Amino acid sequence: QQQVKQSPQSLIVQKGGISIINCAYENTAFDYFPWYQQFPGKGPALLIAIRPDVSEKKEGRFTISFNKSAKQFSLHIMDSQPGDSATYFCAASSGGTNAGKSTFGDGTTLTVKP
Amino acid sequence: NAGVMQNPRHLVRRRGQEARLRCSPMKGHSHVYWYRQLPEEGLKFMVYLQKENIIDESGMPKERFSAEFPKEGPSILRIQQVVRGDSAAYFCASSRGHANTEAFFGQGTRLTVV
Repeated sequence: QQQVKQSPQSLIVQKGGISIINCAYENTAFDYFPWYQQFPGKGPALLIAIRPDVSEKKEGRFTISFNKSAKQFSLHIMDSQPGDSATYFCAASSGGTNAGKSTFGDGTTLTVKP
Repeated sequence: NAGVMQNPRHLVRRRGQEARLRCSPMKGHSHVYWYRQLPEEGLKFMVYLQKENIIDESGMPKERFSAEFPKEGPSILRIQQVVRGDSAAYFCASSRGHANTEAFFGQGTRLTVV
C-alpha cells in the first residue's frame, strides 16, 4: 500500500492562530484527499476533502491547499480554537467505488492553547 | 438516522480466545471497510466488503483474521487465537459505493488482549 506522509506529528498553537498540517503522497492514482478529525475515544470524522482538479477548497475556518505537481496537500485551520484540539489525519484514495479504501497518514495531534 | 454502529465498544480477551467485532453500516450503505488503529498511529486498511462478497482483503493478516458481510445482519471481523499484538482500535466505515462518495466511520471497538 502506498504511503502518505504527514507532518508534524504534534502541533501547539495559540488560540486565534493558524494551524498548518502537511501531507505528501506517492501514488499518482490517488484522486480523493480527505482530512479527518478524531477526538479521543471516537471514530474519525470527515472534516473536508479535495479532488485534484482544484488547488484549494475552503469550508469555514478550514482550507485545503493542493499541489498536484508536488504531490502535496495541506490543511490550514484559521482562527484556531481550543475546541479544535484533536488528532487530524490526512488520507488519500483512488475514488470510484473504492472511495472508502484510504491510505492514512500517521496523524497530527493539535493542541490549541487558550 | 443512525450512523455506523459498532459493537462492542470495548472488548477484553485472553490470549488464545476469539474476538468477534460487529459493524452495522449506515442505512442505504452496502459497502463496508475495516481499519485497524494501533496506539499513536494512523488507520490501516484491512478489508473491503460488499454484501456476501469480499472485494479487497489486501490489508488482512494472512492468518487468524477473517471478515464477512452476510446478506442479512452486520459485518463481522473475526480474530481467532488472539495475541497481545492484536490489541488495537478497530474501526468500520461504510459508504454507498457510488463513485466519489465518502465513507463514514463508526466509533470503533477497542480490543485489549490480556
